[in-house]
Amino acid sequence: DTEVTQTPKHLVMGMTNKKSLKCEQHMGHRAMYWYKQKAKKPPELMFVYSYEKLSINESVPSRFSPECPNSSLLNLHLHALQPEDSALYLCASSQSSGGANEQFFGPGTRLTVL
Amino acid sequence: AQSVTQLGSHVSVSEGALVLLRCNYSSSVPPYLFWYVQYPNQGLQLLLKYTTGATLVKGINGFEAEFKKSETSFHLTKPSAHMSDAAEYFCAVSDWNAGGTSYGKLTFGQGTILTVHP
Repeated sequence: DTEVTQTPKHLVMGMTNKKSLKCEQHMGHRAMYWYKQKAKKPPELMFVYSYEKLSINESVPSRFSPECPNSSLLNLHLHALQPEDSALYLCASSQSSGGANEQFFGPGTRLTVL
Repeated sequence: AQSVTQLGSHVSVSEGALVLLRCNYSSSVPPYLFWYVQYPNQGLQLLLKYTTGATLVKGINGFEAEFKKSETSFHLTKPSAHMSDAAEYFCAVSDWNAGGTSYGKLTFGQGTILTVHP
């Protein structure tokens, strides 16, 4: 299984809602990532988990809260988002967080904040 | 910090023609370089990567890229374009931390949209 799955595919939420994005991989990878991709822009790294510990937070606002319950699962909890947070949220995984490792991307969750 | 510049936000070719997508990088240390492709409303798929060793790297779907240190370039080519190659292509470099360790942050170029005409 060389797939990264993400749910839901689409999400519409109000600014007062709380929602979560889910990412799963069964490749035995020990590094997992969240990226944000605005329209017509490249992906931007948000968080990196290595061996289930948060290793990189790219100064992301606290309304985004990542969680890595186990080595296969990565969640992104959303609370009090702003319309400018609307974007495609991509999850990725790699064998380890070393820079030479290929990152496998999921299909993304398209988030719209009203 | 490393950076990537992709020359040409849009490239248009005819089916069967050569595809050339340009990527230049800036790095103070030996770079790890990647090319990813993204089809509309999908995630990214790795085409190929350069870490060490042979500078001509072959990837999936007939793509290849050559690492040229003297030119700080990593251009992507395909001899003959196919309609299914129409997509957005991203060049990326792995970042290094202050301790000299390459870690998982990918810095992407701005992307090049490839259009293939029949």
